[in-house]
Amino acid sequence: EDKVVQSPLSLVVHEGDTVTLNCSYEVTNFRSLLWYKQEKKAPTFLFMLTSSGIEKKSGRLSSILDKKELFSILNITATQTGDSAVYLCAAIPEGGNTPLVFGKGTRLSVIA
Amino acid sequence: NAGVTQTPKFRILKIGQSMTLQCTQDMNHNYMYWYRQDPGMGLKLIYYSVGAGITDKGEVPNGYNVSRSTTEDFPLRLELAAPSQTSVYFCASRLTGTGISYGYTFGSGTRLTVV
Repeated sequence: EDKVVQSPLSLVVHEGDTVTLNCSYEVTNFRSLLWYKQEKKAPTFLFMLTSSGIEKKSGRLSSILDKKELFSILNITATQTGDSAVYLCAAIPEGGNTPLVFGKGTRLSVIA
Repeated sequence: NAGVTQTPKFRILKIGQSMTLQCTQDMNHNYMYWYRQDPGMGLKLIYYSVGAGITDKGEVPNGYNVSRSTTEDFPLRLELAAPSQTSVYFCASRLTGTGISYGYTFGSGTRLTVV
């Protein structure tokens, strides 16, 4: 059975800290991995990672995929209270006929 | 470009009532999905559709029904509401095809409470 496992499930940090969120996957015919940020409403897209070892960056957020070890990390530097959210990781199987496989998410709380 | 539109945003149902959650997308995406998200939990797939006229069960289909008569619309029906169906429901769509497999576009969600 395909699965995506995120860790930790929750995390509390102080503003200015750097955090690393983990996502491991076991997906048949894996194609790509997605990271989403979910605040109070719908998940919003952060990154899509398809190639191994190529870092994607957006401001203070960055992410990388390791297709040999089957995991990805999402880094957030100089965290702010606005980074408080649930971060979801999802795997895209090849071919597109199978729905995305979501992890349970990591709940990040950034306190002032 | 509206993306994925869900209605209503909030609803309270009594046990045993029925309702339809509406979802429409204007991006000509072929795939559409319904998920539920319970407090503090991840997304669980209820039903999905790979195109008009084709639907398939996900992880938690019991108590729900769907139809996909057009590419744009993918309504979710609850026939006999139960307290266990209290959740936030997300509709999503996705464009796939040969060499294409983009991520989801999510609707803003429907918060349903069954009392």
